[in-house]
Amino acid sequence: QQPVQSPQAVILREGEDAVINCSSSKALYSVHWYRQKHGEAPVFLMILLKGGEQKGHEKISASFNEKKQQSSLYLTASQLSYSGTYFCGSYGGATNKLIFGTGTLLAVQP
Amino acid sequence: SAVISQKPSRDICQRGTSLTIQCQVDSQVTMMFWYRQQPGQSLTLIATANQGSEATYESGFVIDKFPISRPNLTFSTLTVSNMSPEDSSIYLCSVVGESGNQPQHFGDGTRLSIL
Repeated sequence: QQPVQSPQAVILREGEDAVINCSSSKALYSVHWYRQKHGEAPVFLMILLKGGEQKGHEKISASFNEKKQQSSLYLTASQLSYSGTYFCGSYGGATNKLIFGTGTLLAVQP
Repeated sequence: SAVISQKPSRDICQRGTSLTIQCQVDSQVTMMFWYRQQPGQSLTLIATANQGSEATYESGFVIDKFPISRPNLTFSTLTVSNMSPEDSSIYLCSVVGESGNQPQHFGDGTRLSIL
């Protein structure tokens, strides 16, 4: 079952913040986040493991609530370079495969 | 991270023909995957390419339509057989160095159009 992301799309001005949510109907072993710019391959952002650990890099961070089977990606003080489609990925563990979420299109405008 | 070379980058094919896509990695990797991404959509896993054995296909994908080979730890091919316009899509290979719960790194993709 594919994780569902919300919102489907969001438009921001530079410097604004955004939150992207990812919800799974199946138990999650871990959650991956990727960003894909138009015409390019997806690029890995981060992995979150069980335990509610919040990880981040610079102004992009994420959280993982394993009980609720949800993860959120936080983009702070957005930059033009943040534009793209963001995908979460649910990793089930035993199957060793990643199922990508529905995607969120983020557009940052000057 | 691994450098992945995927060929061809794009192709336009006639319906009923087949095309083989190659994925070459510059280092040995444990796991290789093939995805399909239709325009404006998410990535859908086609199969896991297993070294030395038959690929593991996801629901909705069959070996006769998408035969996959993986002769060693650095190379895999995906063939799209008997193509129809519905097969027009971007096909991507991805690799993971060790266990599946590691970052996936993607090739640049093959943009396939069927006339």
